[in-house]
Amino acid sequence: GAVVSQHPSWVICKSGTSVKIECRSLDFQATTMFWYRQFPKQSLMLMATSNEGSKATYEQGVEKDKFLINHASLTLSTLTVTSAHPEDSSFYICSASKGLAGYTDTQYFGPGTRLTVL
Amino acid sequence: TQLLEQSPQFLSIQEGENLTVYCNSSSVFSSLQWYRQEPGEGPVLLVTVVTGGEVKKLKRLTFQFGDARKDSSLHITAAQPGDTGLYLCAGLANSGYALNFGKGTSLLVTP
Repeated sequence: GAVVSQHPSWVICKSGTSVKIECRSLDFQATTMFWYRQFPKQSLMLMATSNEGSKATYEQGVEKDKFLINHASLTLSTLTVTSAHPEDSSFYICSASKGLAGYTDTQYFGPGTRLTVL
Repeated sequence: TQLLEQSPQFLSIQEGENLTVYCNSSSVFSSLQWYRQEPGEGPVLLVTVVTGGEVKKLKRLTFQFGDARKDSSLHITAAQPGDTGLYLCAGLANSGYALNFGKGTSLLVTP
């Protein structure tokens, strides 16, 4: 149990376009979802945390108007990269936990989405 | 952000050898997790250590949490090619929910 999927697994887009990435918890209700970004040979950096039905909490340095996060249901969160530029090319990974942010619940990670902006 | 330093960054060994990966910080963590990530995939949780001095074993993998809860180690006995991957440690701060990840140790085990 506790499977998290992401769609698409990879996407290539032109500079200036917007890209939406979906994160789904397949067999559990995810009260909290997390979005990470991982550059080549770097570690995972937390971008934002979202609780179902609430606005996302963004980490320092992450532009909330550029990375739109919607957590509309207990099984789905979306990350939209607006007006993407080549520097946004990265590996985006989501994770989901069953508890509310602030509790030490296990995070279950998705397989990631490779975004390449030309 | 509480920094986690992992060493070594890269490790290439032959099948059957033993190895140890270290995860160090100047900060105290309420718990620490080890993940393994393969290229193009998300990280997979291996273990969570919570108590200072705790030792956990997962088949050929032995995880230890430092007494002061600032550092951890992962020891692999008789490494196999299937152990190849990026090993990440991540600490959960006392103050909240955020996981701070180390940069990882990239392990290559050759037959």
